[in-house]
Amino acid sequence: GAVVSQHPSWVICKSGTSVKIECRSLDFQATTMFWYRQFPKQSLMLMATSNEGSKATYEQGVEKDKFLINHASLTLSTLTVTSAHPEDSSFYICSARDLSRGDEQYFGPGTRLTVT
Amino acid sequence: AQKVTQAQTEISVVEKEDVTLDCVYETRDTTYYLFWYKQPPSGELVFLIRRNSFDEQNEISGRYSWNFQKSTSSFNFTITASQVVDSAVYFCALSVGGTASKLTFGTGTRLQVTL
Repeated sequence: GAVVSQHPSWVICKSGTSVKIECRSLDFQATTMFWYRQFPKQSLMLMATSNEGSKATYEQGVEKDKFLINHASLTLSTLTVTSAHPEDSSFYICSARDLSRGDEQYFGPGTRLTVT
Repeated sequence: AQKVTQAQTEISVVEKEDVTLDCVYETRDTTYYLFWYKQPPSGELVFLIRRNSFDEQNEISGRYSWNFQKSTSSFNFTITASQVVDSAVYFCALSVGGTASKLTFGTGTRLQVTL
C-alpha cells in the first residue's frame, strides 16, 4: 500500500513550452502533496506544499507563476512548468501524505525534465 | 531554521566492510523527526527509518543500524557487511513541529560498494 506514481517518468521539451507533471496517490487519499526539485548530484529542495482544494504554499525563492501547482482531488496533484528554460531541467519528485495512515510522506519515482 | 549536514560527500568501500554515514542536524524545536532515505540510481527515494526526538533508542534492522544522540545532534547510519546493492545516495532529513511534513534534506552521501 501507499503507492505514489508520477507521469511522465521523463520528458524532453523545447525552451518556451510548458510541461505538466502528474502525481497520483494510487491506493490512498492524499490530503497533502509536496513537490521537490533535485538538481544533478544535489539534495532535494522543497518547492511547494499543496493541500487538496486550496492554493499551494510555495517556498521562498520559488516562482509560483512559473511552477503552477494544482491539487484538485485527493489523489492527484499536478505541477506545470510554464515557459520552460534549460535551467528548469531537473528531477522533480512529489510526495503524498495520508493523515489516516499517520503523517508519513510517500514519495513518487520522480520525473526527469530536460529542456532543450 | 532547520539544517541537516552530511559532511561525507562520497564514500567508497569494499564489499563486506562496515560503513557509517554521518548526519548532524540543527533545530530549535524540541519536537522533530529524523529520517534516512536511500536513492538508488533509478532515482526513487526509499524510506529507511523515521525517529522522533523523544526516542533516543538505537535501532537495528538487519544489516542497518542507527545511532541517535541528542547531545551531539547526530543521527548516524551504519551498514554492516556492506553489499554492492547498497550502492546509492543516502539522505538524512529532518522535519519539525510534530508532524512529518516539511522535510529538510541533507546534501546526501554517495556510497559506492565495490567487489
